[in-house]
Amino acid sequence: SQQGEEDPQALSIQEGENATMNCSYKTSINNLQWYRQNSGRGLVHLILIRSNEREKHSGRLRVTLDTSKKSSSLLITASRAADTASYFCATDVRFGNEKLTFGTGTRLTIIP
Amino acid sequence: NAGVTQTPKFQVLKTGQSMTLQCAQDMNHEYMSWYRQDPGMGLRLIHYSVGAGITDQGEVPNGYNVSRSTTEDFPLRLLSAAPSQTSVYFCASSSSIRGTDTQYFGPGTRLTVL
Repeated sequence: SQQGEEDPQALSIQEGENATMNCSYKTSINNLQWYRQNSGRGLVHLILIRSNEREKHSGRLRVTLDTSKKSSSLLITASRAADTASYFCATDVRFGNEKLTFGTGTRLTIIP
Repeated sequence: NAGVTQTPKFQVLKTGQSMTLQCAQDMNHEYMSWYRQDPGMGLRLIHYSVGAGITDQGEVPNGYNVSRSTTEDFPLRLLSAAPSQTSVYFCASSSSIRGTDTQYFGPGTRLTVL
């Protein structure tokens, strides 16, 4: 079964708006990463947040982590057409074998 | 650097045929892995390797074999293809298995089994 589940499964917004997607996971983690996948391509790493961190920023990306709720959110501000992609969270289980487990993804469409 | 390369990009097989999906990386990464991606299922780990000569099973290993004779290459073999193996296959590599390390993905192989 999937460790991470993204919500919503699909999201469409107007260009310039902010996009928020969420990731919930089942067991305690050491780290959580977010990846982007453009159509027909491989995944590309966006950002890493560790279990002792609550928020991280990278350009237009803002990631939060709430370990008490076992959830993370990815915010993309001032969206652009090029942000159209699928976004996945990936977690490694605390006291597990450290391998990353990927969620099911959120499909984001930016409408020009 | 080419990063992670995969061949072929597309492949159509008949049930029962065998084939090898190739994966190579030029970043001297120790950790390499194979995933399959199916609609609504995200990425599922098939097999992984933490170094040359060392491989282990992931979440969905049945029907697939791997070997790691060099640091650079990590081929995935389908011994007797089945329609359930129709999927997009991704190879990935990273410096180590640790969850803090970025995984670098290849462009994928789209496999159809008839």
